[in-house]
Amino acid sequence: GENVEQHPSTLSVQEGDSAVIKCTYSDSASNYFPWYKQELGKGPQLIIDIRSNVGEKKDQRIAVTLNKTAKHFSLHITETQPEDSAVYFCAGYNTNAGKSTFGDGTTLTVKP
Amino acid sequence: SQTIHQWPATLVQPVGSPLSLECTVEGTSNPNLYWYRQAAGRGLQLLFYSVGIGQISSEVPQNLSASRPQDRQFILSSKKLLLSDSGFYLCAWSAVRTSGIGRQFFGPGTRLTVL
Repeated sequence: GENVEQHPSTLSVQEGDSAVIKCTYSDSASNYFPWYKQELGKGPQLIIDIRSNVGEKKDQRIAVTLNKTAKHFSLHITETQPEDSAVYFCAGYNTNAGKSTFGDGTTLTVKP
Repeated sequence: SQTIHQWPATLVQPVGSPLSLECTVEGTSNPNLYWYRQAAGRGLQLLFYSVGIGQISSEVPQNLSASRPQDRQFILSSKKLLLSDSGFYLCAWSAVRTSGIGRQFFGPGTRLTVL
């Protein structure tokens, strides 16, 4: 089955700096890669996603890149703000299997 | 627009007692439905998923079970809770036949404490 590894497990940055979280996946059949943000005590919320036919996607301060050959994808947050502090999860989705495999999460702290 | 509901929001149950958590989705039809468990400070563990009424796939053998009696209703149950069943339970749905395939939307979660 799919295995998704996420690094780092914790990340602390100064407000205004950039943050990068990286994930690798094992199953070449995975074709959709979402990123979720989870605030304390709440369910994860989808913040950006990318499909396997695209190399990069951007939405304001958030971007995701995908390297299918190397089987890794990354989340980039620029100009970080304290409200970006949360746990971020990556996932790999296999259309045939109909399910996602999640990374273990990255706790991002943005210091004012 | 689509919404997903879970209840109860919090639950404290004694060891050995039964469990029933409910999840309903509005604004979509024939969704894939998922139950996840999240231990404190940990990632998401997929417990069950369903691609249709009465169709349940179990990912982790345990004392939990799931049922889908209606298209947009997903229920997580246990006959006898264990201490290790404590955690944050999340229900999610995803579309099956649209451009949003694979995109999962999570409910607010149920915090279960087994004492």
